[in-house]
Amino acid sequence: DAGITQSPRHKVTETGTPVTLRCHQTENHRYMYWYRQDPGHGLRLIHYSYGVKDTDKGEVSDGYSVSRSKTEDFLLTLESATSSQTSVYFCAISDRGGWGNEQFFGPGTRLTVL
Amino acid sequence: DAKTTQPPSMDCAEGRAANLPCNHSTISGNEYVYWYRQIHSQGPQYIIHGLKNNETNEMASLIITEDRKSSTLILPHATLRDTAVYYCIVRVAEDSNYKLTFGKGTLLTVNP
Repeated sequence: DAGITQSPRHKVTETGTPVTLRCHQTENHRYMYWYRQDPGHGLRLIHYSYGVKDTDKGEVSDGYSVSRSKTEDFLLTLESATSSQTSVYFCAISDRGGWGNEQFFGPGTRLTVL
Repeated sequence: DAKTTQPPSMDCAEGRAANLPCNHSTISGNEYVYWYRQIHSQGPQYIIHGLKNNETNEMASLIITEDRKSSTLILPHATLRDTAVYYCIVRVAEDSNYKLTFGKGTLLTVNP
C-alpha cells in the first residue's frame, strides 16, 4: 500500500471552530488531493495540489482552504466549521496529474461538526 | 449530471466471475475509463484503466466496446473480500480543473 496517513482519523468539533486535517505521504508523489464523501454524492474533489505551494480548487472548495509547504504534507483547513461539513475526508496522491490518473487514497478522516 | 451509468447493485457467487457494466456514451476520444472500488469504511482503491483496448492486470480485466460507449469490469474469480462499491470513472474533457465524473457506483455483493 502507498504510504499515506491522515490525522486525525476521527474528530468531533463544534460549529464555528477551526479545524485542520493533515495528509502525510512518504511516496514523494507530486500531486495530492482532498476529497469529501457523503451519502448520495460519492467522492467530490475539494482542493488539489500539483506541487509545493501550488494548489487549486476542486468542485466543492467553498469553506475550505489548503496549504502545501512540503512535498509530503497537504493540509486541509476549515476556517469556521459548519454542520454541512460533517463528512468523511479522503486524501489521495498521484505521481501524475489529472483526476483520472491512478491515485492512491488514505484511510480517511471522519469529521463530525455539531 | 453524472456522465456514467452503473447498476446500483449486483450479486455474485464466490468463485464465479463478476461482470460489472458501465455506460459512458458521451466519452471523448482521448478520455480514459478508470475503475476504482471502495470496501466499506476504507479509502477507494484503484483497479484498472483503459482507453480503447482491453486491459488485464492481477486484479481484473477491462473490456471496452469498439465504440467506447460502454465497458465491463471483470473479476474472474470473485471472493468474499471483493464485496465493495465499484466506481466507473471517466475524465470529462471540457473540465480543466480536474473535476471528476463519477458513476453512482455498483454495490457488488459476493455470496458464499
